[in-house]
Amino acid sequence: GQQLNQSPQSMFIQEGEDVSMNCTSSSIFNTWLWYKQDPGEGPVLLIALYKAGELTSNGRLTAQFGITRKDSFLNISASIPSDVGIYFCAGQEGAQKLVFGQGTRLTINP
Amino acid sequence: DSGVTQTPKHLITATGQRVTLRCSPRSGDLSVYWYQQSLDQGLQFLIHYYNGEERAKGNILERFSAQQFPDLHSELNLSSLELGDSALYFCASSVSGGFHGYTFGSGTRLTVV
Repeated sequence: GQQLNQSPQSMFIQEGEDVSMNCTSSSIFNTWLWYKQDPGEGPVLLIALYKAGELTSNGRLTAQFGITRKDSFLNISASIPSDVGIYFCAGQEGAQKLVFGQGTRLTINP
Repeated sequence: DSGVTQTPKHLITATGQRVTLRCSPRSGDLSVYWYQQSLDQGLQFLIHYYNGEERAKGNILERFSAQQFPDLHSELNLSSLELGDSALYFCASSVSGGFHGYTFGSGTRLTVV
């Protein structure tokens, strides 16, 4: 199966800072998605991207579908304590299967 | 509440035992997916069912099996459990028309002792 390389693996930032994380793949995906997982919970969909070059925002979150269809990034502006968690990128492989990155663990110092 | 229900939330069992994890998808979703998340690991795809039929298999061990019933709930059966099977097991469902990502349940935390 395809592999996604997600970076960084972890981030330690101050409240109010902006955050950037990205995912790359050796293969093309038709859809990129970004999920957030809080401790003890399942991942929750943040943003879905369906077209190469697409830039989509959801509040303080902005994500882009790379023009080559092999990468995506997620930015979080003006971080707040509730942004703490693990962020996963995912690419659609086949009809309805998702392949997930290893996650970026975000820690925020108040 | 995501609408995807997983039971039990926690399970502690001994090596060699067999357990069954249960998942009820969101109302109207025909697809059910099972994922395994080990400590500090990403989400590993196990298996996908659509309207009762197996559609795709990932790196699922032979000791593991799943099925989806006519009412669309799904069960993941794990047998001859080993310490390394300790993990979070997530079920997710998706709508049948088009693809807009998955909705995950809260998971079952399995601890094998």
